[in-house]
Amino acid sequence: EVQLVESGGGLVQPGGSLRLSCAASGFTFSSYWMSWVRQAPGKGLEWVANIKQDGSEKYYVDSVKGRFTISRDNAKNSLYLQMNSLRAEDTAVYYCARDQEEAYFDYWGQGTLVTVSS
Amino acid sequence: QSALTQPASVSGSPGQSITISCTGTSSDVGSYNLVSWYQQHPGKAPKLMIYEVSKRPSGVSNRFSGSKSGNTASLTISGLQAEDEADYYCCSYAGSSTFAVFGGGTQLTVL
Repeated sequence: EVQLVESGGGLVQPGGSLRLSCAASGFTFSSYWMSWVRQAPGKGLEWVANIKQDGSEKYYVDSVKGRFTISRDNAKNSLYLQMNSLRAEDTAVYYCARDQEEAYFDYWGQGTLVTVSS
Repeated sequence: QSALTQPASVSGSPGQSITISCTGTSSDVGSYNLVSWYQQHPGKAPKLMIYEVSKRPSGVSNRFSGSKSGNTASLTISGLQAEDEADYYCCSYAGSSTFAVFGGGTQLTVL
């Protein structure tokens, strides 16, 4: 059974940093692109970033470029999102998702809430 | 990149059919047969319902179907059931740099 479990969310002040993690199991992690997708409270879904199987390619939504960094450790079956210079508008539930190259997400984690507030 | 446009809400009675539209541009929906649809119940993670415009993942009811014409994709749910009440989001590939763009979501109410 495919499982994705996010962790690392919490309350952080504007300008602060946070690192999210996603532990994957039930599939060959190193064979798939992976993505982070977020959802602000009461709002819709927004794709944030994705990373190729070997980490050689990474893509970001414009609003997080230069502030967020996606990475992975295939030996640990883990996906990460380093978030720096956080803003109030980054407040959201962040989902880890298995990413098919045809731009669809077939498995999702339960999400972790990031709140940026003073 | 602007979000795809969906109606904020749709409703239908049990047994009826409803269709949710998803309008994009020639840079996303219109250029690629890479539209997907997700169902999200309150407080839960999204669930893939349709991918590549009209394909259904294993385990998804055949009451769910997808189509596309020009810059607009559609999700049709036939034989509405109470359990279908949820939010639905469309998503399209939008090129190698933008990758994916979502619609704003549609709240489905089963009357």
